[in-house]
Amino acid sequence: DTGVSQDPRHKITKRGQNVTFRCDPISEHNRLYWYRQTLGQGPEFLTYFQNEAQLEKSRLLSDRFSAERPKGSFSTLEIQRTEQGDSAMYLCASSQQSQETQYFGPGTRLLVL
Amino acid sequence: AQKITQTQPGMFVQEKEAVTLDCTYDTSDPSYGLFWYKQPSSGEMIFLIYQGSYDQQNATEGRYSLNFQKARKSANLVISASQLGDSAMYFCAMREGNTGGFKTIFGAGTRLFVKA
Repeated sequence: DTGVSQDPRHKITKRGQNVTFRCDPISEHNRLYWYRQTLGQGPEFLTYFQNEAQLEKSRLLSDRFSAERPKGSFSTLEIQRTEQGDSAMYLCASSQQSQETQYFGPGTRLLVL
Repeated sequence: AQKITQTQPGMFVQEKEAVTLDCTYDTSDPSYGLFWYKQPSSGEMIFLIYQGSYDQQNATEGRYSLNFQKARKSANLVISASQLGDSAMYFCAMREGNTGGFKTIFGAGTRLFVKA
């Protein structure tokens, strides 16, 4: 079991550009979560998938953000027209339906210049 | 609205001593889960311990125990026999609802420094 993986680990982009992050959950986990963490704060919930269905979205997820999990395995998080305020660590986590614990990936650190 | 409060921005503890990290929560849902995660400087969130709202006994995982005071809505983390490697950020988190992966809210965290 390789754990949750995220790609890329770091991303630097210019304001206005689009970026896409990928998350590969633990293979038998059907639940997948995206969080955003800014410096000195705890993670903030963004969205949650059960299999391929996106069941919950935070109000933090503006219309510039979109997440998909097309086959119920890996997930992508896209940010369109990035802003400097989008600079943060984007964390992905996964869990099994029968268990409470969410296991986190190493995160993707985004810097918008 | 659900809320998690961690009132200690930073804590110091001597190596080999025990330390308690405070967490209070607010929810109107009778079914919820409480978690503690550790985040070292590398950035990865590491699960430590879980307590369900209907669990009768306090959760324990090795050197970690959760002091669950339901009436006071507190879920303090106790680390026994602190080690230098325990130096990290610690986050308390709560998930409302039945087992089903609902929204999870994190506190602002407590930074723990373990002194040699």
